[in-house]
Amino acid sequence: DTEVTQTPKHLVMGMTNKKSLKCEQHMGHRAMYWYKQKAKKPPELMFVYSYEKLSINESVPSRFSPECPNSSLLNLHLHALQPEDSALYLCASSQDIRREYNEQFFGPGTRLTVL
Amino acid sequence: AQSVTQLDSQVPVFEEAPVELRCNYSSSVSVYLFWYVQYPNQGLQLLLKYLSGSTLVESINGFEAEFNKSQTSFHLRKPSVHISDTAEYFCAVNGGSQGNLIFGKGTKLSVKP
Repeated sequence: DTEVTQTPKHLVMGMTNKKSLKCEQHMGHRAMYWYKQKAKKPPELMFVYSYEKLSINESVPSRFSPECPNSSLLNLHLHALQPEDSALYLCASSQDIRREYNEQFFGPGTRLTVL
Repeated sequence: AQSVTQLDSQVPVFEEAPVELRCNYSSSVSVYLFWYVQYPNQGLQLLLKYLSGSTLVESINGFEAEFNKSQTSFHLRKPSVHISDTAEYFCAVNGGSQGNLIFGKGTKLSVKP
């Protein structure tokens, strides 16, 4: 199984809502990532988890809160978002960030719209 | 720090024509390079990768890329494109100590009938 799954596929939320994005992989990977992608732009790294511990937080606002409950799951909790946070949110995983090379497998993404 | 430059933001071509999407990277002692493809409204799929060994790497759908160390390039080529190849293509390099990828800005390939 070389698949990364993400739910939901689409999400519309108001600025006062609380919602969560979910990501799952069963490849035994120990690194998981959240990226944000705006239209016609490359993905921007938000967070990296390594062995279920937060390894990188790329100065992301606190209205985005990641969580890694176990080695297969990664969540992104959303609260009090702004319309400019509307984007495609991509999850990825890789074997281990300590490897010399680090092929990442991406999920299909969640298209988020903030009204 | 590593960086990746994709020289063309858009490449329009006719069906069955050859295409080359250009990618240059900043030099480093060891470098691992990737091409990802993103079809409309989808996530990123790995197209091919260079890790070591043969400098010419191929994908299952006819794309190939050549690692050129002297020119610090990793250009993507296909001898004959199809309408279904219309997509955004991202070149990426392993950039940081945390294993994160550094992406180029992307090249939109539009194949016209």
